[in-house]
Amino acid sequence: EIVLTQSPGTLSLSPGERATLSCRASQSGSSTYLAWYQHRPGQAPRLLIYGASNRATGISDRFSGSVSGTDFTLIISRLEPEDFAVYYCQQYGSLPWTFGQGTKVEIK
Amino acid sequence: QVQLQESGPGLVKPSQTLSLTCTVSGGSINSGDFYWSWIRQPPGKGLEWIGYIFHSGSTYYNPSLKSRITISLDTSKNQFSLNLTSVTAADTALYYCARSGYSLAYWFDPWGQGTRVTVSS
Repeated sequence: EIVLTQSPGTLSLSPGERATLSCRASQSGSSTYLAWYQHRPGQAPRLLIYGASNRATGISDRFSGSVSGTDFTLIISRLEPEDFAVYYCQQYGSLPWTFGQGTKVEIK
Repeated sequence: QVQLQESGPGLVKPSQTLSLTCTVSGGSINSGDFYWSWIRQPPGKGLEWIGYIFHSGSTYYNPSLKSRITISLDTSKNQFSLNLTSVTAADTALYYCARSGYSLAYWFDPWGQGTRVTVSS
């Protein structure tokens, strides 16, 4: 099973700042088969990024994803109030599909 | 656009079977090569993928839960279901259903709103 480790656990930032979220895979099998989700309280998780760097339909270009080896990064260029949420990465390159434990982006 | 909605009892007694249904609207569960999954989130914890059923009826279950899970399809009702046997308090969670695509497009989109299940006597 591929274990995804997200860091940091919590990111305290102000609106307008840049957020950098990390997701490290325990094995290389996930390649670019990684997605990022935004999860706001009381709402369904929302797909942001698939294939490590492709924005989902309707997602702002403030969100971008990248990969280097087994290290995946989600960047939110300028935080808007609605961006404060929990973010999860998910690998789908190898069964069982797995999620990271999440990074909470909170208002500083 | 496809929408998913979970339903089921909010309270289940320990050792009993948890049964949930996901109703798909805006598209046929039988059309296209889609995978239909269950995902859960225990209180204060992250997301855990439970397993999927393919439109053909084939399944894959997370090994961590495999011995207790059954996922089934009811194409006549455009639904798929989850049965989880011998539940304990550790199975208390928000349960989501979601769709994945095919040909390695296995990300989850869309998701249902989730249904909360508490295991307690």
